[in-house]
Amino acid sequence: DGGITQSPKYLFRKEGQNVTLSCEQNLNHDAMYWYRQDPGQGLRLIYYSQIVNDFQKGDIAEGYSVSREKKESFPLTVTSAQKNPTAFYLCASSALSRTGELFFGEGSRLTVL
Amino acid sequence: DAKTTQPNSMESNEEEPVHLPCNHSTISGTDYIHWYRQLPSQGPEYVIHGLTSNVNNRMASLAIAEDRKSSTLILHRATLRDAAVYYCILRDADDYKLSFGAGTTVTVRA
Repeated sequence: DGGITQSPKYLFRKEGQNVTLSCEQNLNHDAMYWYRQDPGQGLRLIYYSQIVNDFQKGDIAEGYSVSREKKESFPLTVTSAQKNPTAFYLCASSALSRTGELFFGEGSRLTVL
Repeated sequence: DAKTTQPNSMESNEEEPVHLPCNHSTISGTDYIHWYRQLPSQGPEYVIHGLTSNVNNRMASLAIAEDRKSSTLILHRATLRDAAVYYCILRDADDYKLSFGAGTTVTVRA
């Protein structure tokens, strides 16, 4: 089935450790996105990419890094510089079109102990 | 920053219609209006989108004001499964920075 796969679904890490969240899509979409969601809050954009080997900072990029080496993959690294990394992380993809809908993964819940 | 504003919450009774407003006063002529909803502990899902004319699909209807500065998502008969956070966003062909606001939390009473 076509869709977006995020892994892991749950992740526990100690403070100060970098962690990488995986996002893979088989929808042949050019655009991919990473969002962060805190309890009871909306989605905040971390990074986005429109094409392989290119990406842009979103509204809250500090403490995060991404790569886009393949069209279908857009991993997010939460670095030790991120002050409060515990959150629900969502990956999405879409076609490069004003009418293109966003497809979201099921999310990765990161807890820093 | 999000280019849309929505009420924080709305309540409805089961099987009654729900009208969810969204203001987008700075909308450009080429922006499409998209709506998504997010069930608890899940990723958001697409609901509907439109440009100028009202739109209907199996999930909802979208009514767009004549000046396009506001729109309303209409759930015709709310069910308990419609309890979710609903987001309104704008999509432009040249801007792929898609920011979501806090959305509207819809509560459906049985």
